[in-house]
Amino acid sequence: DGGITQSPKYLFRKEGQNVTLSCEQNLNHDAMYWYRQDPGQGLRLIYYSQIVNDFQKGDIAEGYSVSREKKESFPLTVTSAQKNPTAFYLCASSLGQGRNTGELFFGEGSRLTVL
Amino acid sequence: AQSVTQLGSHVSVSEGALVLLRCNYSSSVPPYLFWYVQYPNQGLQLLLKYTSAATLVKGINGFEAEFKKSETSFHLTKPSAHMSDAAEYFCAVIEGGYQKVTFGTGTKLQVIP
Repeated sequence: DGGITQSPKYLFRKEGQNVTLSCEQNLNHDAMYWYRQDPGQGLRLIYYSQIVNDFQKGDIAEGYSVSREKKESFPLTVTSAQKNPTAFYLCASSLGQGRNTGELFFGEGSRLTVL
Repeated sequence: AQSVTQLGSHVSVSEGALVLLRCNYSSSVPPYLFWYVQYPNQGLQLLLKYTSAATLVKGINGFEAEFKKSETSFHLTKPSAHMSDAAEYFCAVIEGGYQKVTFGTGTKLQVIP
């Protein structure tokens, strides 16, 4: 089955540590996205990528980094510079590259808790 | 920039009653509008999408939404609520040259037996 796989589903981190969230898709989609979800705030865009080796900052990129070395993969690193990293993180993909209709396909999410 | 506003962070309905979840978009007509549903601790799933082909859009699970330009609205409705409809619902709009999707703050639907 085609889809998006996020791992780990739950992650605990000590303050000052970097952590990387994995996102892999086998939908052959060009575009990939990372959103952060907090109660009452909806989804906020962290980073997005329309093509391999290229990505753009979203609305809340500070304290996060990404890479897009392969079409299938778009890992997100939450750095120690992120002041309030405890949240639910969602990865998504879409057709992209001029074919985009806006429909996003989401993974199951990763819940990060900073202890 | 495009934006959407969802009125009411929590809505409660009785099982079998009408479901109405409200969404208003910013003044310029967006190319696409969406409703997504999220069940606890899961990702989002597309319910329906407006693409200007028709103002009344039918989605999955008996939901539909009507695009009203005069009211800048895209409200989600379902004639009869089911217990399985309890979830959080997000209205969304595409912007940025079709590259970015912006979400509303969400409405949690509670269905009372």
